[in-house]
Formats: sequence, C-alpha cells, structure tokens
Amino acid sequence: EAGVTQSPRYAVLQEGQAVSFWCDPISGHDTLYWYQQPRDQGPQLLVYFRDEAVIDNSQLPSDRFSAVRPKGTNSTLKIQSAKQGDTATYLCASRGPGLGNYAEQFFGPGTRLTVL
Amino acid sequence: AQSVTQPDARVTVSEGASLQLRCKYSYSATPYLFWYVQYPRQGLQMLLKYYSGDPVVQGVNGFEAEFSKSDSSFHLRKASVHWSDSAVYFCAVSAKRGSALGRLHFGAGTQLIVIP
Repeated sequence: EAGVTQSPRYAVLQEGQAVSFWCDPISGHDTLYWYQQPRDQGPQLLVYFRDEAVIDNSQLPSDRFSAVRPKGTNSTLKIQSAKQGDTATYLCASRGPGLGNYAEQFFGPGTRLTVL
Repeated sequence: AQSVTQPDARVTVSEGASLQLRCKYSYSATPYLFWYVQYPRQGLQMLLKYYSGDPVVQGVNGFEAEFSKSDSSFHLRKASVHWSDSAVYFCAVSAKRGSALGRLHFGAGTQLIVIP
C-alpha cells in the first residue's frame, strides 16, 4: 500500500511569490490534514478535511493561505504571497474512514519551504 | 489553555542504556495521547497511543509509555536503546470531544541522540 505522497519535496522562493503544495493521501482515507512545522518545533494544524468538506480551518491564515480538496482525494495547499515567517516544513497526513479520533494519522515526508 | 510540554529539547544516551522521554499535558479533560517519531527527512510515524484502560501501553520497536492522570503525564520509555533510535520524538494529544475534536496538538519535540 502506497503511503501519503507530497510534492514538491523542497521549494525556495522570494517574499511575495506564490507556491502550491500537493498531497495524495492513502487510497480510501477520507480525512486529510495539513500541518505547518517550523524548524525545531512540533507540527501545528492548519486545516483538515473530511472528504471534500473543510472541517476546521481556524488556524489557516486566510488572507494568504488557501486549501482545497475538490474531489475528496488529492489536496492542494497554496500560499498566495509568501513571507519569511512562512519558512517551515508543510506536512500532509491522512486517516481512514469511520475510525475514532484515536486512530493513527499517516504522514507524508513533507515539503520544506524556504522564503528568502 | 490546552498545551503539551516536552521539557527536554535534547537527550543524549549511550547505546544499550535505558531511556525516558517526558511529556506533560494540560487539557480540560483526559485526551487521547500519542507518541510519534520523526527520522531525518521523513514524515512522522506513530509509535503508540493511549485512549483508555491499562495505563501502560506497548508500541513498536520496544517502546512503551505510561499514562498518569494524577500527574497529567505520558512519558515514553525504552529499556535498551539502539543507535537507530536517534530521531526526534513528539508527544501529541487529541480531544475526545468538543471543538478540538479530530485535531492533533503536538509538543515541541525531544531530539534523541544515541551514542554508539
């Protein structure tokens, strides 16, 4: 069974540029999460979906960040105008259907973003 | 306020020695509890979880953790570490109900260095 895949693995951009991250969850997983992990810190949830619906985006900086999961499978996280403070690793995770919140989330390898 | 505290940013042990990584949480009610490990340039992998019952839970690769309600702690232990255990370890919690349902809240992580 393939794990969670993410692309690109690395991105380097100047402030003000836009960037998109793509995530392909484990097949059949209905819940998908995006986390931001600054260097030397733990992951912090940005947004999560169940199928195509946003369940919680309260931690997503809505003025510059957006996330979609139009068919309830793959997902894209976009930063419209990147800032140096956005430098972090962006992790995608997924969880299987019908399981409780104690169920395991499976993480992808992440996209390491550097904003100069 | 909800929080997860891992007081040790870095722990260094010799191969074959025992290990304890500390985790304390502050939550309105007993949450689900997890330990995850992150190897360099990889995503997070779950080691073990606790949701009820026996306070000592067993995980992969000889790891175990003990839940203490009175102490609000969930410390990770291993009897004999191997050099391949060198990684960053994250304690995480998830609410059983309420507005934070479905969200994993991570500590800052503890970097484990095992000296051969």
